Amino acid sequence: DVVMTQSPLSLPVTLGQPASISCRSSQSLVYSNGNTYLSWFQQRPGQSPRRLIYKVSDRDSGVPDRFSGSGSGTDFTLKISRVEAEDVGVYYCMQSTHWPFTFGPGTKVDIK
Amino acid sequence: EVQLVESGGGMVKPGGSLRLSCAASGFTFTNAWMSWVRRAPGKGLEYVGRIKSKTDGGAIEYAAPVKGRFTISRDDSKNTLYLQMNSLKTEDTAVYYCTTHHQYWGQAILVTVSS
Repeated sequence: DVVMTQSPLSLPVTLGQPASISCRSSQSLVYSNGNTYLSWFQQRPGQSPRRLIYKVSDRDSGVPDRFSGSGSGTDFTLKISRVEAEDVGVYYCMQSTHWPFTFGPGTKVDIK
Repeated sequence: EVQLVESGGGMVKPGGSLRLSCAASGFTFTNAWMSWVRRAPGKGLEYVGRIKSKTDGGAIEYAAPVKGRFTISRDDSKNTLYLQMNSLKTEDTAVYYCTTHHQYWGQAILVTVSS
C-alpha cells in the first residue's frame, strides 16, 4: 500500500499569517494517464470531510482562493495564504492513484 | 443540491452484522462511483471500499481490513448505496461516510461494536 506521511502533525497558526502542510507518498502518484490523483481535505470539528483540492492543484468549487495545492511525483504541499478562524480543523492528503486509496495521518490546524 | 444521507448505524456485539444505507439525490447516481470511508475514534480517515458505476463495469474493491467481511452494493433504481458489515470487530467502531468521487460526503453514521 502507498504510505502517506504529513508534516507537521500539529500546526498552531496566527490569524492572517500563511500556513503550509507537507504530504509525501511512498511511491509516485502519477497515474498511467499522466494525471496525479492527490487530493486535500479539510475536516472541521463535528463535520464531514470537505475536499479542497484535487489532482494536486485544482481547487473545488466554493473553496476560497487562499487555499492552494502544489507538488509532483511524491512530494506535495497545501498552502493557506492567510489563515482565518474558520480554517481550524484537521487537514488530510489522500492518494487515489493506487488501490487501496490511502490518507495521510492528518494535520491539526488551530489558532495560537 | 447533492445530498447523501446515511442510515442503519448503531451498536452491535462483536461477530454481529449491520447494514448501512446511503440515500443519494441531486446528481445522476447511476453514473457515480461511490465509496465508503470511516474514521475510528481518535484516528484519521480510512478508506473502506468503492463501487464503480455499472456503465464503467461496476467493479468493487475493498481495503484489506474489511475484505471478506464487508460487502458494498448499489441499487440504482433506488439511488442507494449499501454497506453490509458482517463478522464485526471492535476495531470496526467508527463513523462511516459515503462519498461520491470524494467531492460530496454524507453526514456520517456511527457504528459501535462492543460487548
